Amino acid sequence: DAGVTQSPTHLIKTRGQQVTLRCSPKSGHDTVSWYQQALGQGPQFIFQYYEEEERQRGNFPDRFSGHQFPNYSSELNVNALLLGDSALYLCASSLGGLSGNTIYFGEGSWLTVV
Amino acid sequence: AQRVTQPEKLLSVFKGAPVELKCNYSYSGSPELFWYVQYSRQRLQLLLRHISRESIKGFTADLNKGETSFHLKKPFAQEEDSAMYYCALSGTYTAGNMLTFGGGTRLMVKP
Repeated sequence: DAGVTQSPTHLIKTRGQQVTLRCSPKSGHDTVSWYQQALGQGPQFIFQYYEEEERQRGNFPDRFSGHQFPNYSSELNVNALLLGDSALYLCASSLGGLSGNTIYFGEGSWLTVV
Repeated sequence: AQRVTQPEKLLSVFKGAPVELKCNYSYSGSPELFWYVQYSRQRLQLLLRHISRESIKGFTADLNKGETSFHLKKPFAQEEDSAMYYCALSGTYTAGNMLTFGGGTRLMVKP
């Protein structure tokens, strides 16, 4: 089991552009969450997908959107990129999204906005 | 609102010394508390959770609801314990298992 896998690992975008990050959950997991980790800070929750719907959302603007596919993989889209969007984006998966189930993290996608 | 505070950005100790990484939280209900660790060039991984009351790699953490704290302790630090440590909280009244993280503490264990 490869665990949670994310792509791409690194990318550079220009202000105003759009970016799509991808995540495959750990085998058997049906819930995917996305976190943003700015340099020197802890991860911040963006949103969670379960059964192809956004179930919970953190304090992020509508420029951040996502999608979950029938195979439970997920995408994070960010529109109109700002310099402040530069961060490590972490995908996490779990089963059922229930409190008490262990959450597994991917290695992340490093986004640099110039 | 839920919040997690880790007051120390960096904690440096010598090998064999005791370690205590501080974590304070704010949550109106009954929280579930976790410690996550990130070793160099590795992904974030769960170290321990308060409900399991287990000791992992010699680390323990006790939830103190009166002081709203969940400090991580180890009696004798090892060089391989050097890593970033994040305290996290999950609210039992929220759908799903959204984690709120603290800012992290970098532990450096010197030989």
